[in-house]
Amino acid sequence: GENVEQHPSTLSVQEGDSAVIKCTYSDSASNYFPWYKQELGKRPQLIIDIRSNVGEKKDQRIAVTLNKTAKHFSLHITETQPEDSAVYFCAARRGGKLIFGQGTELSVKP
Amino acid sequence: GAVVSQHPSWVICKSGTSVKIECRSLDFQATTMFWYRQFPKQSLMLMATSNEGSKATYEQGVEKDKFLINHASLTLSTLTVTSAHPEDSSFYICSAPQSTETGYTFGSGTRLTVV
Repeated sequence: GENVEQHPSTLSVQEGDSAVIKCTYSDSASNYFPWYKQELGKRPQLIIDIRSNVGEKKDQRIAVTLNKTAKHFSLHITETQPEDSAVYFCAARRGGKLIFGQGTELSVKP
Repeated sequence: GAVVSQHPSWVICKSGTSVKIECRSLDFQATTMFWYRQFPKQSLMLMATSNEGSKATYEQGVEKDKFLINHASLTLSTLTVTSAHPEDSSFYICSAPQSTETGYTFGSGTRLTVV
């Protein structure tokens, strides 16, 4: 089955700096890669996603890149703000199922 | 947009009792529902997939006799934790694929505490 590895597990940045979170997946048949933000005790919220036929996607301060050959995708947040502090999860879809990475706790210090 | 209503949002039960969690799709038909479990500070782990009108499929290591899943209609999927023990205490969350080619709608989650 699919296996998704996510790094780092914790990330602390200063407000205004950029943050990068990386994920790798194991199954080359995976075709959809969403990123979620989750606050404590809440449901995951989709922040950006990318399909396997696209290499990069951007939405304001958030961007995702996908390298299918390396089976690697990354989340980039620019101009970070304190409200970006949360746990972020990457995921990969294989056969309809979403498999999640281990999560990254992002802390943005004012 | 698509909404999945999950109840209860939290429940406390005694060891040995059973607890039922419901996920209801409010404005779309969910032929498939995924059930996840999330322990504190950990990831969402897929437990099982329910399909309307057929038996659920369970991920490796998940006890199907302990976690009973029923998908009796196109709008309702239930997870019953049978003979609950303290180690079953966790955050349980359901997710339904949307009608579009991508995208999933998550329930609000259920915090289960077994005492």
